[in-house]
Amino acid sequence: NAGVTQTPKFQVLKTGQSMTLQCAQDMNHNSMYWYRQDPGMGLRLIYYSASEGTTDKGEVPNGYNVSRLNKREFSLRLESAAPSQTSVYFCASTRTSGSINEQFFGPGTRLTVL
Amino acid sequence: TQLLEQSPQFLSIQEGENLTVYCNSSSVFSSLQWYRQEPGEGPVLLVTVVTGGEVKKLKRLTFQFGDARKDSSLHITAAQPGDTGLYLCAGNTGGFKTIFGAGTRLFVKA
Repeated sequence: NAGVTQTPKFQVLKTGQSMTLQCAQDMNHNSMYWYRQDPGMGLRLIYYSASEGTTDKGEVPNGYNVSRLNKREFSLRLESAAPSQTSVYFCASTRTSGSINEQFFGPGTRLTVL
Repeated sequence: TQLLEQSPQFLSIQEGENLTVYCNSSSVFSSLQWYRQEPGEGPVLLVTVVTGGEVKKLKRLTFQFGDARKDSSLHITAAQPGDTGLYLCAGNTGGFKTIFGAGTRLFVKA
């Protein structure tokens, strides 16, 4: 049981380059999330997918796109990377019970945009 | 905009000391979670509290949810170097989104 896996672990891009961050979960959760974490700002929601086939914008969606490929996989794409997108990106899947959402995070992708 | 404010932002203590960190909001939450994040890793769920006034214990960690479900505290007894990390609180309001605080960074010196 791997939980939530993310690839790559590290990435350096030049301004304007594109890339896709991959995420997969094996816990059979319906909901999946992408966050970015910057010093002093906590976790900010980029996009989420409440269930297979649906995606919605979070707090900071500009410059990103997502694809919920199937129940297990949720990818995040940067079409034209900018230095402001330098951050640590976390994928999470959620165990939901009523109004309780407990999140399980991957190990993160550390992205630097030069 | 819903906010979760955590205090203190940073705490450095000696092994064996006790400490309390706080998580406050003007919003009411249906549930609240505490996570611990170690350097280079993702946050890991410690506990969920649901009922106003609820107290949960996890070994040396005691979590309390405020009576009005707007705030929470985490108390660590006899801190150890292994407790070092970033402690995050997160609140649910019933939808799909979770609100995270910016965290308290704890360093326990041996």
